[in-house]
Formats: sequence, C-alpha cells, structure tokens
Amino acid sequence: SQKIEQNSEALNIQEGKTATLTCNYTNYSPAYLQWYRQDPGRGPVFLLLIRENEKEKRKERLKVTFDTTLKQSLFHITASQPADSATYLCALDPSGSARQLTFGSGTQLTVLP
Amino acid sequence: SAVISQKPSRDICQRGTSLTIQCQVDSQVTMMFWYRQQPGQSLTLIATANQGSEATYESGFVIDKFPISRPNLTFSTLTVSNMSPEDSSIYLCSVEWLDRVGVTGELFFGEGSRLTVL
Repeated sequence: SQKIEQNSEALNIQEGKTATLTCNYTNYSPAYLQWYRQDPGRGPVFLLLIRENEKEKRKERLKVTFDTTLKQSLFHITASQPADSATYLCALDPSGSARQLTFGSGTQLTVLP
Repeated sequence: SAVISQKPSRDICQRGTSLTIQCQVDSQVTMMFWYRQQPGQSLTLIATANQGSEATYESGFVIDKFPISRPNLTFSTLTVSNMSPEDSSIYLCSVEWLDRVGVTGELFFGEGSRLTVL
C-alpha cells in the first residue's frame, strides 16, 4: 500500500540555522509533490509544488528537492526564524490536479530564539 | 487566492446527533473537497463535491454518514450524521486554485471546523 513518511519526531533548531525536513514515500509514483504549512487551529497553507521532472525549486528562503529515484523530497528553510515554527505537511499528487492528494502526517518544527 | 469561510469553527456535540458544517468561497469554483484531520493525524479526503452532481466519496466514507450538498459554485455543506466519539476531528473544506492558464494543483483550505463528540 502507499506510504508517506515524514520526520517522525518533532524538529527543534536554533534561529538562523537551516531546517531540513524529509518526506519519503513507497509504492507511489507521484507526478507532483507539494508542501504545506499548518499552524495550530488553522487550515494548511500551500507553500511549494515541484514536478517529477524538476530536481529543485526555490521560493524566498524555501527550497524543495525531489528525487524520484530515492523516492524522497527534502524541504529546506534557510535562515530560520521563530515565526517559521509550524507543522509542515508533504502531499503527493499523481496527476497535478490536486484532486487526489495524499498527505503525510507532518513534521512539527520549532525554531528556538 | 481564494478566501474560504467555514462555520462553525468548533462545536461540542452529543453522541447520536448530527451536525452540518458550511463552507463558503469568495469565488466560483468547480470542485470543493472535504477533508478530515483526526487528532495527531494527517488529512484524509472524505469526498469531492461538484456543483449539480452527487459527491464522490473516498474509500471508507459513505453518503449516509457524511451527506454533502453543493447547491451552487460558491457553497457546500458536509453533515456528520449519528455522531460517535470517533468522529471527533477537524473537518476542512478546500478548493483547487486555478490561474488564467488552468489547473495549478494547489489547494486552498478553510480554517477548519473542530468537532468534539461526547
């Protein structure tokens, strides 16, 4: 069966460092992979989308890589700030239409001042 | 971007009762999605709602338990019927974002409705 695994433990890092979150998947061939941010009591907010033929995508302090051979995506936040503290969800999309997204369980990131 | 309003934001309900959650979008959208997020879990798609047709339910979810209405292109409701404590969860409405080219693959979410069943 399809399986998505994100960092199983909460991740704590010091302000200013780079946070790296992982998303591994098995028995799946996504065409797209997405990352969302979710704050407590709020709905998820879309951050980045990367296609299977793209190796890397950047947006401001965010960088996503997508390795379809390793079946893994890495999500980096550079120069992290306490305001980056949140739960980050990866989502796999087989078709690019967002109609069949499968979400991971998320990684809770805490950036310590 | 799309602005999605959900009501109620939270509620406490008794076992055996039903609750209807409303989702209002500030623009016309073709598809609306209803997700469930159980405590400590990720999001699970319940169903996809198209205007003018029956909702399409995912495996493990049935219309009798989660009836959905989609009367127009900006509004949908999800009812959680005959509730039990296992239905305690956050229910989220979402829409797919379209740009001038077409489908982007991105989802916009409402703030969610936190339901506690006693």
